[in-house]
Amino acid sequence: GQSLEQPSEVTAVEGAIVQINCTYQTSGFYGLSWYQQHDGGAPTFLSYNALDGLEETGRFSSFLSRSDSYGYLLLQELQMKDSASYFCAVRTAGNKLTFGGGTRVLVKP
Amino acid sequence: DTEVTQTPKHLVMGMTNKKSLKCEQHMGHRAMYWYKQKAKKPPELMFVYSYEKLSINESVPSRFSPECPNSSLLNLHLHALQPEDSALYLCASSPTKRSSTDTQYFGPGTRLTVL
Repeated sequence: GQSLEQPSEVTAVEGAIVQINCTYQTSGFYGLSWYQQHDGGAPTFLSYNALDGLEETGRFSSFLSRSDSYGYLLLQELQMKDSASYFCAVRTAGNKLTFGGGTRVLVKP
Repeated sequence: DTEVTQTPKHLVMGMTNKKSLKCEQHMGHRAMYWYKQKAKKPPELMFVYSYEKLSINESVPSRFSPECPNSSLLNLHLHALQPEDSALYLCASSPTKRSSTDTQYFGPGTRLTVL
């Protein structure tokens, strides 16, 4: 089976940088995805890492270390609209996604 | 068109009712998914369809019956549900499930309440 761990909640101020860590245990790993979900909304794809290293997409970056079964999502120049839940998800055979418990990010002015 | 649509947005049903959830995408995606999400929990995979054939059933009770009439449409038929089935039901699609860089795109969900 799969298990993922990420912090339950993070609070930061506007303009700050937040790092959300994700550790996983899985059989048959293809990659690590990150999704954002606002309250009452749908999960929105942010990034995907299949190989070790850093992927940068605007203010958001994602990192993966396959040897450590570890990844993180970095949110830079935080804005109020970034207040949401962020999920890491491991991708396994059959394009199955198994999600972590989610990290609620609260951005304060 | 880059979105997944779901109807209805909200559904309230009794335990003896039969209802259906509908999901549609026009992105040419050949894999479609149903997820269930309880409040403050992550989405949990229920079913995967690939090229209109059911490829994964995550041991979902038979009171949930999926159907994929064509490559753009995915239904979830509901019958004799229990109050604990109340949740947000999310549909997703991806180009295929074979690509190593496949990305799943989610619809807005149907919020289901079972009385």
